[in-house]
Amino acid sequence: AQSVAQPEDQVNVAEGNPLTVKCTYSVSGNPYLFWYVQYPNRGLQFLLKYITGDNLVKGSYGFEAEFNKSQTSFHLKKPSALVSDSALYFCAVRDSYGNNRLAFGKGNQVVVIP
Amino acid sequence: DAMVIQNPRYQVTQFGKPVTLSCSQTLNHNVMYWYQQKSSQAPKLLFHYYDKDFNNEADTPDNFQSRRPNTSFCFLDIRSPGLGDAAMYLCATSRDPGDQETQYFGPGTRLLVL
Repeated sequence: AQSVAQPEDQVNVAEGNPLTVKCTYSVSGNPYLFWYVQYPNRGLQFLLKYITGDNLVKGSYGFEAEFNKSQTSFHLKKPSALVSDSALYFCAVRDSYGNNRLAFGKGNQVVVIP
Repeated sequence: DAMVIQNPRYQVTQFGKPVTLSCSQTLNHNVMYWYQQKSSQAPKLLFHYYDKDFNNEADTPDNFQSRRPNTSFCFLDIRSPGLGDAAMYLCATSRDPGDQETQYFGPGTRLLVL
């Protein structure tokens, strides 16, 4: 079965410092990986996805993610965090074996400290 | 702007009183999804429609039903809400059901059961 793990509950970072949110995955076929962000009492906003090709994926709001097949990881990164980046971040995966279900990780709360 | 709209944003109902949540989309997407998200948890897929074809998740309680009268609208009906059904309900759409397709989420409806 496909799954993702987000090992940290909360990520604290000072404003202006680099931000990393970790995600590892497990799938049977080729992985299709997604990152979403959720602000309080709001729906999920799509940030970026990896389907194939370049391992470094650039997305919305200055975020990027690096696909690493050998480490089965897809960490989300931002070079310089903003206070407004404080939110809940979800990693999700679908695999290529026809399973239409999008499997979400448990989410990471990011707190950017002014 | 093309978008996914959910109404109402907040819904209060009484224990056992039927309630209907609404989702509409201007993206002209073929697939519409309903997720349940409880506090501090990942979204959980309840069911989805691919065009008019209904696909129920195996562990979705019978208490939850859905209707899709046309491409633009999809409804979530909770026949007899219990206290455990209090959650955020998220509607999402994707152009097609393929594994590489991005799902776009609405802002959610927060349901409170008294």
